[in-house]
Order: sequence, then C-alpha cells, then structure tokens
Amino acid sequence: GAGVSQSPRYKVTKRGQDVALRCDPISGHVSLYWYRQALGQGPEFLTYFNYEAQQDKSGLPNDRFSAERPEGSISTLTIQRTEQRDSAMYRCASTLRRPSGGYEQFFGPGTRLTVL
Amino acid sequence: QQQVKQSPQSLIVQKGGISIINCAYENTAFDYFPWYQQFPGKGPALLIAIRPDVSEKKEGRFTISFNKSAKQFSLHIMDSQPGDSATYFCAATPPESDTGRRALTFGSGTRLQVQP
Repeated sequence: GAGVSQSPRYKVTKRGQDVALRCDPISGHVSLYWYRQALGQGPEFLTYFNYEAQQDKSGLPNDRFSAERPEGSISTLTIQRTEQRDSAMYRCASTLRRPSGGYEQFFGPGTRLTVL
Repeated sequence: QQQVKQSPQSLIVQKGGISIINCAYENTAFDYFPWYQQFPGKGPALLIAIRPDVSEKKEGRFTISFNKSAKQFSLHIMDSQPGDSATYFCAATPPESDTGRRALTFGSGTRLQVQP
C-alpha cells in the first residue's frame, strides 16, 4: 500500500470489553512501533517489533495490553477488559532506515478508541 | 518524566511572518531530533530532522536550530502560509538499541494557526 493503514479508524466500546486494533505497515518495513496519543499530547511509545519479534514492550501500561505481529507484517494491539482511561488515539508506525543514515517513522492515521 | 518539553502550546502568526517553536530535552543520549507535522485526521509526518553534530539545518522555509550545550532545539518557519496551519511535534531518539529499537520521545505539540 501507499502508506501505513490502521483499522478500525474509530472504535467505541463499553468498559470491560476486549478490543483489537490492527496495523498494516508499509510493505518491506522491518520495524513496527505502537504509540498511544492522548488528546493534546504527543504520541507515547507502547511497544516495538523487529520483524515478528516483539523486542520491547516496556511502554505497555499493564498486562491488559498485548501485541503481536505473527508474520512480520500486520500487527494487532489487543486491550482486554477495557477501562475508560484506555480512551485515546492509538497509532502505529513503520520505519525506514535510509542508506544515508537517515531515519524516518511513517505513522498511520490512528484508531480513536472511546471506552464508555 | 517528560523528557522533551515543547512550547508554546499554541501559536497564531500572520501570513508571511515567522513561526518559532521551541523544545528542550533532558536525555543527553538523544542523537536524532526530528520535527513532525500533523494535520487533522492524519498521522504525524516527518518534516525535517537534525543530528547534534550540526547547529542548523534548513530545508526550504523550514529551519532547525540546535544548541547542544543548552539541550535545546527549535523550528523556524519562514514566510508562514495558511497551509502551514497544523500541529507540530518535536521529538528525539537515542541511538539504535541492540534490538534495533529507536522509539521516538515526543513533545506535547504546538498548534500553529497562520492567519491569511
């Protein structure tokens, strides 16, 4: 695809329900990041994949949050037993490391999660 | 702990004027400082970036000024245009970890409005 895509774009759920957020990175991008962005704030790191391996999950708030990328492409962020405080924009980004040494993360449009 | 502090929160500039956004960081391990531009409904997109071995980088109307000793960097938008109206985020990242992780730490964002 032309860019990083995420689905759904909007998700409204009731407290206690599980949700799964999907990220489809740019083809060929090895690294994938999940971020959470609160209203009026910058994105905050959640977790990182290198190919299919989850190399860092230090930003996940608690064990209700999990993520996977089984084939090294599409990734799913799952939140179990959602709480109102989980309401935020969830963004994923895939990265390109340029031969010149430059580095760029390409962000998706995000999933706006609202927990009622 | 907010590792990257950004100001101002919002900025109104007249068309043709200069927009200036400032950021300060704490982690001296950071070695890459990008600025991201975000339009409503879209994900952040890389605008311009700098490494600490240079004090200034210019791309078109956009310039980053970097002061390593003060741990500060700023974005200057010359001849600001209404189309520049967006939210701007500064960010920073340390060198790639042994797992390839290079997560961005973002500032809180500046909402820029350029009036015609």
